[in-house]
Amino acid sequence: DVVMTQTPLSLPVTLGQPASISCRASQSLVHRSGNTHLSWLQQRPGQPPRLLIYRISNRFSGVPDRFSGSGAETDFTLRISRVEAEDVGVYYCLQATHFPWTFGQGTRVEFK
Amino acid sequence: EVQLVESGGGLIQPGGSLRLSCAASGFNVINTYMSWVRQSPGRGLEWVSVISDDDTINYADSVKGRFTISRDNSKNTLYLQMNSLRADDTAVYYCVRAINGMDVWGQGTTVTVSS
Repeated sequence: DVVMTQTPLSLPVTLGQPASISCRASQSLVHRSGNTHLSWLQQRPGQPPRLLIYRISNRFSGVPDRFSGSGAETDFTLRISRVEAEDVGVYYCLQATHFPWTFGQGTRVEFK
Repeated sequence: EVQLVESGGGLIQPGGSLRLSCAASGFNVINTYMSWVRQSPGRGLEWVSVISDDDTINYADSVKGRFTISRDNSKNTLYLQMNSLRADDTAVYYCVRAINGMDVWGQGTTVTVSS
């Protein structure tokens, strides 16, 4: 199985400041189709997860442009350019290139 | 509006069976990837199963042989039949549309396996 390792697991942030989360896969996430099925999801307290980014860097509909994704092969990053109050929650990376699909452990973002 | 609404969760004894349903609106479940994802209390997300647009099915090893994913086009509904339930199947089960990542999520239905 592909192991997805997120760092850090806890991220204290400051309002208006940038933040970033890393996700490392135990093997390349490039699909035979050429696509890389790496997504980022946000889960706010008491809510289901919500898709932020798909295929490494594509922002999903309605997601603020302060969220961006980058990376390739096995190393990926989610960046928040300026953290806002509503960004508190747990962030997960997900790989859907190889079965079984696997999530990272989650990174808890909270204010300092 | 694109929406998924799960139902069928509840309290069940170990070894029992449950069938979860996921009613979709705003799109057709038959033409797309549909998945189940679960989240145990206080834990992270775990992928359970997926059915693709060509009806290819995959399962997590933890549920293989016990769970069955299916869909009904006439009802535009996704199902998860869960048999031989164990305590470690206790979780919130989410129905998910899996286009370009997991782009639409239901609110979840809670399954508790306990005697």
